[in-house]
Amino acid sequence: SQKIEQNSEALNIQEGKTATLTCNYTNYSPAYLQWYRQDPGRGPVFLLLIRENEKEKRKERLKVTFDTTLKQSLFHITASQPADSATYLCALGRPGSARQLTFGSGTQLTVLP
Amino acid sequence: DAGITQSPRYKITETGRQVTLMCHQTWSHSYMFWYRQDLGHGLRLIYYSAAADITDKGEVPDGYVVSRSKTENFPLTLESATRSQTSVYFCATTRQGGGYTFGSGTRLTVV
Repeated sequence: SQKIEQNSEALNIQEGKTATLTCNYTNYSPAYLQWYRQDPGRGPVFLLLIRENEKEKRKERLKVTFDTTLKQSLFHITASQPADSATYLCALGRPGSARQLTFGSGTQLTVLP
Repeated sequence: DAGITQSPRYKITETGRQVTLMCHQTWSHSYMFWYRQDLGHGLRLIYYSAAADITDKGEVPDGYVVSRSKTENFPLTLESATRSQTSVYFCATTRQGGGYTFGSGTRLTVV
């Protein structure tokens, strides 16, 4: 069956360090992968989209990699800040799926001051 | 203000009652989606719509009904609410080549 796994439910890191979150998938051939941020009591907020033919995408302190051979995406936040504390969700879109996304269950990141 | 709005923000209803959750977007995007979010399950797709009068089932459609008579509105109806439908419901829309924009969610409790 199709499965999306995000590494550990919770990740704690020290301020200033790089946070690395993992998204692994099985039995998918995604056309693209997206990352979202979700704060408590709020809807997810779109951060980055990376397509299957792209290896890496950057946006300010954020970097996403996408390895279709390993079936894995890595999401990096450099120079992390306490304000980066949130739950981060990865989501996969399959070709011909009418823009439907399938979401992982998320990783809760806490950046300690 | 441009955006996507959901109402109500919170709702408590009794088992067996019909309840409708509203979703409105101001962009006229073609695609709209309804997800539910539960601990341990993440976000799961209930229904989606590719355009006015075009809707289709997602992963967990049982017990739900949708309609889309106008592009900007996509209401979700629970025909006879059950306790298992207690959840946070999110509506979302997307433009071509972009990510989703989610509403603020409706927290529904079925007692």
